[in-house]
Amino acid sequence: KAGVTQTPRYLIKTRGQQVTLSCSPISGHRSVSWYQQTPGQGLQFLFEYFSETQRNKGNFPGRFSGRQFSNSRSEMNVSTLELGDSALYLCASSLVISGNNEQFFGPGTRLTVL
Amino acid sequence: DQQVKQNSPSLSVQEGRISILNCDYTNSMFDYFLWYKKYPAEGPTFLISISSIKDKNEDGRFTVFLNKSAKHLSLHIVPSQPGDSAVYFCAASGSAGGTSYGKLTFGQGTILTVHP
Repeated sequence: KAGVTQTPRYLIKTRGQQVTLSCSPISGHRSVSWYQQTPGQGLQFLFEYFSETQRNKGNFPGRFSGRQFSNSRSEMNVSTLELGDSALYLCASSLVISGNNEQFFGPGTRLTVL
Repeated sequence: DQQVKQNSPSLSVQEGRISILNCDYTNSMFDYFLWYKKYPAEGPTFLISISSIKDKNEDGRFTVFLNKSAKHLSLHIVPSQPGDSAVYFCAASGSAGGTSYGKLTFGQGTILTVHP
């Protein structure tokens, strides 16, 4: 079974631009979560989508948004980029079985904001 | 407010010996715990998990122990191998729905180095 895929793997943007990152979950997984990893803050939860609905959101500004499509693929968007948005963005998918929250991560998208 | 803490930034172990990585949590609503291994520029790889109804779970060389009263879990790797060298993250989740959906709370990670 193919793992979680993320595109693009690397991205360089300038301040003020916007960016869209894509994530394809493991086949059959309907939950997709997004995380930001930075050296200072570690791995932080952005939001989670299930059946095209955002069920949970972390403590990030409204510039960070996402969506999920009917095939469970997900995108996240960051508008008006700031230098501090430079990070590794990870998505993870899971089966959503009661009592089991094992998430499987993609390789990440490395975003650099200049 | 760091709800999951890994107080040891690094650990160095000789090949063949035991590696013990520790993790503490403060949120009593957490009821599922996971360990991930991560190499630079890659996503975390799931290793092993444990539900709060258990106190031990084994998978090959990896064993996770959970002490609910102390809000402490540990990952034992026996025997340690040079290929185990990586950053190890513990993570926790709740099952109460709402703000728990799809959310893992991670520790800051421990860099494990296994010397040949």
